Amino acid sequence: NAGVTQTPKFQVLKTGQSMTLQCAQDMNHEYMSWYRQDPGMGLRLIHYSVGAGITDQGEVPNGYNVSRSTTEDFPLRLLSAAPSQTSVYFCASSKGAQNTGELFFGEGSRLTVL
Amino acid sequence: RKEVEQDPGPFNVPEGATVAFNCTYSNSASQSFFWYRQDCRKEPKLLMSVYSSGNEDGRFTAQLNRASQYISLLIRDSKLSDSATYLCVVRPLTGGFKTIFGAGTRLFVKA
Repeated sequence: NAGVTQTPKFQVLKTGQSMTLQCAQDMNHEYMSWYRQDPGMGLRLIHYSVGAGITDQGEVPNGYNVSRSTTEDFPLRLLSAAPSQTSVYFCASSKGAQNTGELFFGEGSRLTVL
Repeated sequence: RKEVEQDPGPFNVPEGATVAFNCTYSNSASQSFFWYRQDCRKEPKLLMSVYSSGNEDGRFTAQLNRASQYISLLIRDSKLSDSATYLCVVRPLTGGFKTIFGAGTRLFVKA
């Protein structure tokens, strides 16, 4: 059982470049989300989705786009990378649209923007 | 003031010791509470939920104090493998997506 799979695990970008972080889950979870984790701070929610075709902004959405065309996939797009987006990104999913249960995380994607 | 605050540590304890962490939250509407564990350079994983009456899972005990707005995690008979960062997580009744993570408390258990 793969759970939540994120790719790539590591990425280095130059300022202004764009890229997509991929996230896929095979647990048929309705709720999916993207977090970033920075030193000394808790995980902060970027965007989330409660089902295919439905997305919404979290706490720190600026500079990021998401889409949810299928239940399984929830890619995160960086439109024009900035050094402030250097971080570790985690995709997480939860059974049910209300996210009342356990959050299952991917292994993380470490992004450096030069 | 942060919505969820934890002592970042690190807590350095010998094997076999008992160690306790506290976590305070500011939103009195918070209804669900959890402890997650995060190993170095790994993803967070659920350690245990925290119930109003307190709950125990092996060497781990979680307590909730709603009046003072804090939750605690007690680890007895610490093992080397307990070395990790422990994240306090709170979720308000108003929205499941408004899950708030604390920055974590680092624990090092030494032989």
